[in-house]
Amino acid sequence: NAGVMQNPRHLVRRRGQEARLRCSPMKGHSHVYWYRQLPEEGLKFMVYLQKENIIDESGMPKERFSAEFPKEGPSILRIQQVVRGDSAAYFCASSPYIYEQYFGPGTRLTVT
Amino acid sequence: AQSVTQLDSQVPVFEEAPVELRCNYSSSVSVYLFWYVQYPNQGLQLLLKYLSGSTLVESINGFEAEFNKSQTSFHLRKPSVHISDTAEYFCAVSVSNAGGTSYGKLTFGQGTILTVHP
Repeated sequence: NAGVMQNPRHLVRRRGQEARLRCSPMKGHSHVYWYRQLPEEGLKFMVYLQKENIIDESGMPKERFSAEFPKEGPSILRIQQVVRGDSAAYFCASSPYIYEQYFGPGTRLTVT
Repeated sequence: AQSVTQLDSQVPVFEEAPVELRCNYSSSVSVYLFWYVQYPNQGLQLLLKYLSGSTLVESINGFEAEFNKSQTSFHLRKPSVHISDTAEYFCAVSVSNAGGTSYGKLTFGQGTILTVHP
């Protein structure tokens, strides 16, 4: 069983561009979480999704950020009009049930 | 809201020495507790977890942690560390309210960098 896959592993965007981060959960996992690891701030919850539904987005910035987990395909975290402060490592985790999460290797976003 | 405090940001030790990484949490409701390990430029790996039952939980590579409800702690210990244990360790909690609105999201501590010297 392959682990959680995230791509790209590294992403460089200029200010104002869009960033799309993809996460393929482990087979059989229907719960997906996104976390952000900012320098000096640690890991913070962003959003929790099940197939086709956003369940909890209490950690998402109100603007420019969105997430989806379609019926088919990976979960996508989308950041529009990126700014330097969006530079961080973004981790996806999947779970077969909500109390055991398996993390992907992360996408390191650099905004220049 | 929950919070997690990892009391040491860095812990240097010599190989084969014992180590304890401290974790305290704050929550007004029951929680589940986790330790994750992160090697450089990698994702987090679940090291061990406490959901219920015995308060002492063990990992396959010799780490153990004990849930102490009265002291709201979940310290991680290993009696003899190896060079390969060098990594960053994160303590995390999630609220254990089945049917509630926590949805298992994790609240992390700031991390402790364990460096094992030869």
